[in-house]
Amino acid sequence: SYVLTQPPSVSVAPGQTARITCGGNNIGSKSVHWYQQKPGQAPVLVVYDDSDRPSGIPERFSGSNSGNTATLTISRVEAGDEADYYCQVWDSSSDPIFGGGTKLTVL
Amino acid sequence: EVQLVESGGGLVKPGGSLRLSCAASGFTFSNAWMSWVRQAPGKGLEWVGRIKSKTDGGTTDYAAPVKGRFTISRDDSKNTLYLQMNSLKTEDTAVYYCTTVQEYSSSYYFDYWGQGTLVTVSS
Repeated sequence: SYVLTQPPSVSVAPGQTARITCGGNNIGSKSVHWYQQKPGQAPVLVVYDDSDRPSGIPERFSGSNSGNTATLTISRVEAGDEADYYCQVWDSSSDPIFGGGTKLTVL
Repeated sequence: EVQLVESGGGLVKPGGSLRLSCAASGFTFSNAWMSWVRQAPGKGLEWVGRIKSKTDGGTTDYAAPVKGRFTISRDDSKNTLYLQMNSLKTEDTAVYYCTTVQEYSSSYYFDYWGQGTLVTVSS
């Protein structure tokens, strides 16, 4: 079955850029979606279809996807961005799959 | 404003049953595909199952770990989604989230989430 691999943790200083990766075999041929989950809260969709943002999500959140890696980029990181981030794929040929999640720490 | 409010969680013994509900508002529930996603304590997200709108056939699909034990249903007259869980196991302990499902270019994602309800399976 298809596997999505995320680093367990990423650390970044405030104001810097955080990049969270999601690896999968030829993931560039799939649409990747990203969720943010703060402690004790439900997940929130922050990027869909590789690089689109739902309304209300700051432009600081962006995504890309090519080859075997999709990336969620958070520019000008703020303390409030500290959270777990999950990638996800789901197409008509398979069940939904989530990556294992990445804990973003703002130093 | 889209709202999804889950209820029905609690403590149940292994082998027992529980039914979760999800009350939906702020969108046309009957047109929506819906899903359940769970999260075991300290773990990641795991898809449980999905139900299509009746217009699209109303069919269900389930993750392998719950297939044959869990059943998703909907009552469009009450704008409510259900998850009937039977033969519960300790590994079913998790927060269960109700979500809407959105389709974009033959890919699907979970655009709105409820606050979750905790199910604990323990003797």
